[in-house]
Amino acid sequence: GAGVSQSPSNKVTEKGKDVELRCDPISGHTALYWYRQRLGQGLEFLIYFQGNSAPDKSGLPSDRFSAERTGESVSTLTIQRTQQEDSAVYLCASSSDRVSYGYTFGSGTRLTVV
Amino acid sequence: QQQVKQSPQSLIVQKGGISIINCAYENTAFDYFPWYQQFPGKGPALLIAIRPDVSEKKEGRFTISFNKSAKQFSLHIMDSQPGDSATYFCAAPRDDKIIFGKGTRLHILP
Repeated sequence: GAGVSQSPSNKVTEKGKDVELRCDPISGHTALYWYRQRLGQGLEFLIYFQGNSAPDKSGLPSDRFSAERTGESVSTLTIQRTQQEDSAVYLCASSSDRVSYGYTFGSGTRLTVV
Repeated sequence: QQQVKQSPQSLIVQKGGISIINCAYENTAFDYFPWYQQFPGKGPALLIAIRPDVSEKKEGRFTISFNKSAKQFSLHIMDSQPGDSATYFCAAPRDDKIIFGKGTRLHILP
């Protein structure tokens, strides 16, 4: 596609439920990133995938968070046993190589845990 | 952890004025300094970037000034317009990912 696509755009879930967020990167982009943005805050790095290399999971805040990527395509971020502090916008970005640093972001998934 | 410190948190500028946002970084190994612009409900978009071997880069009304010795870089928006109202993030690369500042919410008064 022409841009990074994220779904759903909005998700309301009950505390304790699991959620899955999806990201479709730009075709051909080898690098994919997940960030979290709490209301009025900056972007917090979560996880990074580059080709077939082991992902950089250093930003995941707890073991309730996990992510997968199939080859160089779709990625899924899973949050288990959601808590109210997980409420945020989850942003996905992709780039063509590790040195360009020219990320293209999706519009994000707004997650609300009630 | 490498830090990117951004100021001010919020900024109000009259239409036609100059908006200035500052960033300071801690690690001298950074080799690329981008600025991102984010409108409400959208993801951030790359606005302009500079490499540390130049002191200034200009694209239209947007200019990055870089001071390597002070480990600072700034974004200047000339002739600021209401359409420039957005949140701006400075950033720096670390280990093949980008670390972002906390953002500056810019509001241009009509």
